[in-house]
Amino acid sequence: SQQGEEDPQALSIQEGENATMNCSYKTSINNLQWYRQNSGRGLVHLILIRSNEREKHSGRLRVTLDTSKKSSSLLITASRAADTASYFCATGMDSSYKLIFGSGTRLLVRP
Amino acid sequence: DADVTQTPRNRITKTGKRIMLECSQTKGHDRMYWYRQDPGLGLRLIYYSFDVKDINKGEISDGYSVSRQAQAKFSLSLESAIPNQTALYFCATSDTDSGYTFGSGTRLTVV
Repeated sequence: SQQGEEDPQALSIQEGENATMNCSYKTSINNLQWYRQNSGRGLVHLILIRSNEREKHSGRLRVTLDTSKKSSSLLITASRAADTASYFCATGMDSSYKLIFGSGTRLLVRP
Repeated sequence: DADVTQTPRNRITKTGKRIMLECSQTKGHDRMYWYRQDPGLGLRLIYYSFDVKDINKGEISDGYSVSRQAQAKFSLSLESAIPNQTALYFCATSDTDSGYTFGSGTRLTVV
């Protein structure tokens, strides 16, 4: 079974709007990561947040982590058509560096 | 050249055949992973290796085997392919917990 579950499963927004995706997980984690996948291609690492961090930024991306609620969110600001992709959260539960992936959110940004 | 190279990119094989998927990396990372992705689902871990002498099963290792020929090479074999092994297979590498680098994937179809 998957550790992380993204919500919503699919999201359609207009270019320029913000996109928010959520991830919930079940057990304690060492870190949580977000990845992007374009249509059947390899995943690209976006951002990593450690369990002792609450928020991180990278360009137009903002990630928050609430370990008390076992949840994380990814915010993409001022979205562009090129942001259209699937976004996955992945949890690292210990020092083994294995990642457990969620099922992803499919984001469509309409021009 | 890509940091993580997977071959072949696409493969169609018949039920019962043995097939090997290859992965090589130029990142110099010790840790390597094999995941499979099924339509609409996240990635599930098949095997992982932390160095040449360390091989570990993931959550769905049945029907698969791996070989870590060198630090840079990690191959995945399907001993006797079956149709439900039709999927997209990804190799990845990591160094500590800085995020994974993925290959472009191998699309395998078992008929």
